Amino acid sequence: QVQLQESGPGLVKPSQTLSLTCTVSGGSISSGGYYWSWIRQHPGKGLEWIGYIYYSGSTYYNPSLKSRVTISVDTSKNQFSLKLSSVTAADTAVYYCARLVIRLGELSLFRYFDYWGQGTLVTVSS
Amino acid sequence: AIQMTQSPSSLSASVGDRVTITCRASQGIRNDLGWYQQKPGKAPKLLIYAASSLQSGVPSRFSGSGSGTDFTLTISSLQPEDFATYYCLQDYNYPFTFGPGTKVDIK
Repeated sequence: QVQLQESGPGLVKPSQTLSLTCTVSGGSISSGGYYWSWIRQHPGKGLEWIGYIYYSGSTYYNPSLKSRVTISVDTSKNQFSLKLSSVTAADTAVYYCARLVIRLGELSLFRYFDYWGQGTLVTVSS
Repeated sequence: AIQMTQSPSSLSASVGDRVTITCRASQGIRNDLGWYQQKPGKAPKLLIYAASSLQSGVPSRFSGSGSGTDFTLTISSLQPEDFATYYCLQDYNYPFTFGPGTKVDIK
């Protein structure tokens, strides 16, 4: 059973960099077909996909955050990480890591988030 | 980015009711849509992918349909554990975008 667990500071000061790590257990982060993602949810609001990284290091970032986001992977530790720079109160949210599956179906690609971490609340405040 | 809307934003229902939630995309997305269930304080859980494919382990009372711009999640007989918020997610193109959610609560 794959499990994901977020870790990192729960409080970040404005203008600083938010840093979170997701540790994957029960499976290898280097397995093909899986893209390791970050998703956030503002308090009481909907979900926003931040981006993903493949074990090879290739990434995709949501254009809405692209200028401030870096996602990296450490295959030796089975971890991937999120850095979000120049944070403001608008970045206060629950941050989830999740596994994005991309696989070939009979006629098209299937893409879905099948495993999620429990989420971690990050508050941006001085 | 593709905009997703859901209706209703909330509904009240009783155990045993048939519940239908609608999701609409701002442009055609073939059948590249998933449904997720989220309970308070928990991470979302995958229910349906590719518009109608049931994720392993998800009860068969959940079903999805639709293609193009209009999609439906149906719960055939609502159970106590189904009271939650439901989100659709388009994976047709990047960035993937979620709907605003539909909260299902107890009548």
